Amino acid sequence: EDQVTQSPEALRLQEGESSSLNCSYTVSGLRGLFWYRQDPGKGPEFLFTLYSAGEEKEKERLKATLTKKESFLHITAPKPEDSATYLCAVLGGDDYKLSFGAGTTVTVRA
Amino acid sequence: ETGVTQTPRHLVMGMTNKKSLKCEQHLGHNAMYWYKQSAKKPLELMFVYNFKEQTENNSVPSRFSPECPNSSHLFLHLHTLQPEDSALYLCASSQVDRGGDEQYFGPGTRLTVT
Repeated sequence: EDQVTQSPEALRLQEGESSSLNCSYTVSGLRGLFWYRQDPGKGPEFLFTLYSAGEEKEKERLKATLTKKESFLHITAPKPEDSATYLCAVLGGDDYKLSFGAGTTVTVRA
Repeated sequence: ETGVTQTPRHLVMGMTNKKSLKCEQHLGHNAMYWYKQSAKKPLELMFVYNFKEQTENNSVPSRFSPECPNSSHLFLHLHTLQPEDSALYLCASSQVDRGGDEQYFGPGTRLTVT
């Protein structure tokens, strides 16, 4: 069974203070690793898909990287509007079932 | 309308009620999903419909009943729910045969069972 563990559970940052979120995974035949952002009371918003170790994707202040065992989401010089819960998910095998981690809640103070 | 829409956004129901959640996707996708999100827990996949087959998660109680009349619409019929069923119910869709596996989510229905 696919497993996804995210750390830390919560992260409080000062505006401009860069940091990284971790997503460790075990999956049989990785087909994709996904990062989502979720604001309170809303559905997850798709950010990135990573397919193979060494791959990197960037969007504004966010950069996602992938190794064979984990993925990192780097937040560079965060702003208060980056406050959200960031979810990691993996897709493996030959089905369509995403396995999600519990998320990291990021709070950026001005 | 764009993306994935869900109605209602909020629902309060008694344990003896019957209600339905509706999801519509405007993305031309061929797969749709129901997830349950409880506080401090990972999203739990409940049901999957794709162009090939319907897949059910065997651990979902029978008081939850999905219906997918076409590739754009998905329903979740609820009856005799329990208080522990209170959660955010999320619908998602994806295109499973184009190589992109990302799922796009609706805003969710916040369900409270009293």
